[in-house]
Amino acid sequence: SAVISQKPSRDICQRGTSLTIQCQVDSQVTMMFWYRQQPGQSLTLIATANQGSEATYESGFVIDKFPISRPNLTFSTLTVSNMSPEDSSIYLCSVEGGTALSGGYTFGSGTRLTVV
Amino acid sequence: ELKVEQNPLFLSMQEGKNYTIYCNYSTTSDRLYWYRQDPGKSLESLFVLLSNGAVKQEGRLMASLDTKARLSTLHITAAVHDLSATYFCAVDTGYALNFGKGTSLLVTP
Repeated sequence: SAVISQKPSRDICQRGTSLTIQCQVDSQVTMMFWYRQQPGQSLTLIATANQGSEATYESGFVIDKFPISRPNLTFSTLTVSNMSPEDSSIYLCSVEGGTALSGGYTFGSGTRLTVV
Repeated sequence: ELKVEQNPLFLSMQEGKNYTIYCNYSTTSDRLYWYRQDPGKSLESLFVLLSNGAVKQEGRLMASLDTKARLSTLHITAAVHDLSATYFCAVDTGYALNFGKGTSLLVTP
């Protein structure tokens, strides 16, 4: 099963700045997924990232605000640009492939972002 | 648009009691997942249900899937405090996961 290292685990940022979140996977994966979890809410898919192609964004999310890089099959970054307090959320990356017991998708440990 | 509805959204139950969380979804899918999330933590995978009639059990938790009714259940048997967490069901669209709103479970003495 895949193991994901996500960093930073948390950050407090000033509005108007940008933060880049990194996810490193210990095996090669075709697709990586980025989710946002707003306070007290469920997870919403931001985009899917394939290596060597542009990320595919879900409705309500745009590349200028959430640029994604996917330089190889084990790594991806999500940038939250020109931040405002409304961007305060937990951001999680995910890949397909879970544990031997449960399968499914594995999630990174999450980045808790607070914008002040 | 796929909708995933979980209920209840909040559940307070006493230790030793049984309860069921329901997850209804609006489109055809034969892959459904249950996750647990502790406060401030990421998601822990609990169950993967891959076909109609699938039933899986781990400790005090048992999950089932009825693809014809588009319904999954997560049954809690003899609850203990350590089960306090938020539980999410997620439907695999074949593209990514679509999550329910989550059930916040509190188990009290």
